[in-house]
Amino acid sequence: TQLLEQSPQFLSIQEGENLTVYCNSSSVFSSLQWYRQEPGEGPVLLVTVVTGGEVKKLKRLTFQFGDARKDSSLHITAAQPGDTGLYLCAGLNAGNNRKLIWGLGTSLAVNP
Amino acid sequence: NAGVMQNPRHLVRRRGQEARLRCSPMKGHSHVYWYRQLPEEGLKFMVYLQKENIIDESGMPKERFSAEFPKEGPSILRIQQVVRGDSAAYFCASSPNTALYEQYFGPGTRLTVT
Repeated sequence: TQLLEQSPQFLSIQEGENLTVYCNSSSVFSSLQWYRQEPGEGPVLLVTVVTGGEVKKLKRLTFQFGDARKDSSLHITAAQPGDTGLYLCAGLNAGNNRKLIWGLGTSLAVNP
Repeated sequence: NAGVMQNPRHLVRRRGQEARLRCSPMKGHSHVYWYRQLPEEGLKFMVYLQKENIIDESGMPKERFSAEFPKEGPSILRIQQVVRGDSAAYFCASSPNTALYEQYFGPGTRLTVT
């Protein structure tokens, strides 16, 4: 069974701090997606990484796909209260009939 | 381009009643996924459909739950004879027919069974 483990499960920081959250698996994925979910809403796609070692930036957010395509990280610089939410990663195995494998998420709270 | 639409946003049903959840995918998207989410449990895959076909229903309970995505109209997730344990947020996502299989989510339907 393919699993995606996200860490930490919960994170509470002060505005302006930097943070990194992780998404790890023993399985290889053809691509990996990051989503952010706010309370009462559906997840919103942030980025998709495809190539091993790939780095993508979205303003203050930096996403990296591991060289072996088994893990990924999300780094946020100078966090703001608007970054608060549940960050979910989801991996795609091309042979898995289009079904994403989801992590349980990292719940981030950025305090003003 | 309108996003994924779900209705109702909130649904209250008494035990034993039927719940019918609707999802209209983004224009041009032919793939629909249904998920269930409980606090502390993450997103649980239920079913994946294309127009008029169920592709993967491995996450859906075999009894009381059914899903369809007709040629015309929205996708429907139906829960018959609801029980309190069915209370959850149900999300629908759609994706275009591309290799990345990126999913676009609706706002969800929060089902409460009393």
